[in-house]
Amino acid sequence: KQEVTQIPAALSVPEGENLVLNCSFTDSAIYNLQWFRQDPGKGLTSLLLIQSSQREQTSGRLNASLDKSSGRSTLYIAASQPGDSATYLCAAATNQAGTALIFGKGTTLSVSS
Amino acid sequence: IAGITQAPTSQILAAGRRMTLRCTQDMRHNAMYWYRQDLGLGLRLIHYSNTAGTTGKGEVPDGYSVSRANTDDFPLTLASAVPSQTSVYFCASTRTGGSNYGYTFGSGTRLTVV
Repeated sequence: KQEVTQIPAALSVPEGENLVLNCSFTDSAIYNLQWFRQDPGKGLTSLLLIQSSQREQTSGRLNASLDKSSGRSTLYIAASQPGDSATYLCAAATNQAGTALIFGKGTTLSVSS
Repeated sequence: IAGITQAPTSQILAAGRRMTLRCTQDMRHNAMYWYRQDLGLGLRLIHYSNTAGTTGKGEVPDGYSVSRANTDDFPLTLASAVPSQTSVYFCASTRTGGSNYGYTFGSGTRLTVV
């Protein structure tokens, strides 16, 4: 059974700092791994999707990496801004339950100005 | 609408009542999912459907049922609501299971059972 873990659960940084969010998964047989952002009381916004054959994806200040062999993914945020404050969710798509996404519990990021 | 529409946005429901949460997508995605999100527990899968006419159970299916009569609609029914079903419910879809396509989420339904 796939399990996804995100560390840390919460993170506070000053504006301008580069930071890394961590995600680990127990079953390396994934189809893809996705990172989402969720603002308080809102839905999920997709940030990056890394296919199983890829090692990383980049979008603006965000870079996500995937290491299937070690069961890890990281989300790197460069030059953080107060607007980056949100909860970041990692999710793995496997062959369980119709390839539903299995989610970590998220990392809540607070960027202070 | 270009995405997923969930209705209602929020609802307060008396315990023991029956309720159906609606989910409609216009992307012709084959696979659809229902999740609930609870503080400290994250998003957990309730039910899924790989294609119209088929459904399956997720991690927390008890007390919920689904149907998939066509590609676009995937309603979630609470036959007799209980307070522990108070949660935020998200519907999601993707083009086809096992693919490298992204998953689209609805805006959620906030349900309170009293």
